[in-house]
Amino acid sequence: DGGITQSPKYLFRKEGQNVTLSCEQNLNHDAMYWYRQDPGQGLRLIYYSQIVNDFQKGDIAEGYSVSREKKESFPLTVTSAQKNPTAFYLCASKDRAARHLPLHFGNGTRLTVT
Amino acid sequence: GIQVEQSPPDLILQEGANSTLRCNFSDSVNNLQWFHQNPWGQLINLFYIPSGTKQNGRLSATTVATERYSLLYISSSQTTDSGVYFCAPSDQGGSEKLVFGKGTKLTVNP
Repeated sequence: DGGITQSPKYLFRKEGQNVTLSCEQNLNHDAMYWYRQDPGQGLRLIYYSQIVNDFQKGDIAEGYSVSREKKESFPLTVTSAQKNPTAFYLCASKDRAARHLPLHFGNGTRLTVT
Repeated sequence: GIQVEQSPPDLILQEGANSTLRCNFSDSVNNLQWFHQNPWGQLINLFYIPSGTKQNGRLSATTVATERYSLLYISSSQTTDSGVYFCAPSDQGGSEKLVFGKGTKLTVNP
């Protein structure tokens, strides 16, 4: 089955540590996205990538970093510079060539930093 | 950037009732999606609907792009319809970045 895999589902870290969230897709999609969701809120865009070895900042990129070395993988690092890292993180992907097709989401990673 | 407003913020229904959720957006769009987020956080795409009307079972959606709004209709609601419904348009740039509203939280009681 094709889809987007985010791991782990729950992640706990101590303040001051960097942590990397995994996102892998086997849909052969060019474009990948990272969103953050806080309780009772909508999703906000952190970073996105439309092609391998290229990515752009979204609306709330400060304190985060990404890489896109492979088409199927788009890991997100939450650095110690991110002031409020505890949140629900969602990865998504899309076929850029097929504009009429929707964005697909993974099941998310809940990060708790104490 | 594009602004998105969803209404109502909360909605409580009895099973079997119908409802209409509204999404207003501030700019022209070339993409608009409706999503349902279940209580476990999973986001499910309901409709890709930058314009026109689509139906899928008990759900239908209409987007009037010239007037900058979209509506999601839920008929004969079921308890499994509970969750948060998000509208997410993207602007007319080429990045396909979706901008999410704050959602409508729907609770369907048995």
